[in-house]
Amino acid sequence: AQSVSQHNHHVILSEAASLELGCNYSYGGTVNLFWYVQYPGQHLQLLLKYFSGDPLVKGIKGFEAEFIKSKFSFNLRKPSVQWSDTAEYFCAVSGSARQLTFGSGTQLTVLP
Amino acid sequence: DTGVSQNPRHKITKRGQNVTFRCDPISEHNRLYWYRQTLGQGPEFLTYFQNEAQLEKSRLLSDRFSAERPKGSFSTLEIQRTEQGDSAMYLCASSLFEGTDTQYFGPGTRLTVL
Repeated sequence: AQSVSQHNHHVILSEAASLELGCNYSYGGTVNLFWYVQYPGQHLQLLLKYFSGDPLVKGIKGFEAEFIKSKFSFNLRKPSVQWSDTAEYFCAVSGSARQLTFGSGTQLTVLP
Repeated sequence: DTGVSQNPRHKITKRGQNVTFRCDPISEHNRLYWYRQTLGQGPEFLTYFQNEAQLEKSRLLSDRFSAERPKGSFSTLEIQRTEQGDSAMYLCASSLFEGTDTQYFGPGTRLTVL
């Protein structure tokens, strides 16, 4: 069975600080990896995804993530956060079965 | 692209009552997924359809839950004899099953069972 771990439950940063959110997964086969974001009062939105090719993927709003196969990791990064990045961030994985397995989420609070 | 829509957005019911939720996927999407999300957790997979066929059900989906997708368009999720433990956000997602199969989520239906 596949599983996803997000070790940071709540991260608090000041504007302009750099962000890295950890995501580790467990799955025996080929995986597809995703980061979704949920802004306050809004629904889940796709931030970025990895299926194959370049392990460094770029998403919307300046976010990027790096797939490191040997570490089973897919960490999310942003060089300089803004107050508007305050949201909950979910890492997810899908395998051959296609349904998504999500981590428990990381609440990011950016202080102005 | 009008996005995935779900109705109702909120539902309050008494324990033992039946409830039904509706999901309208993005029009050209042939896959439709249901997830459940409780406070402090990520969404958990319940079931999915490809066109009108229900291809997989999670062990989380007890026999009180049933889902349908007649004609491969909208889908309904029914919960019979609701229990307080059914209180959660029920999310629907859709995708176009070719290539990347990226799922797009609706706003969810928040169920509160009193």
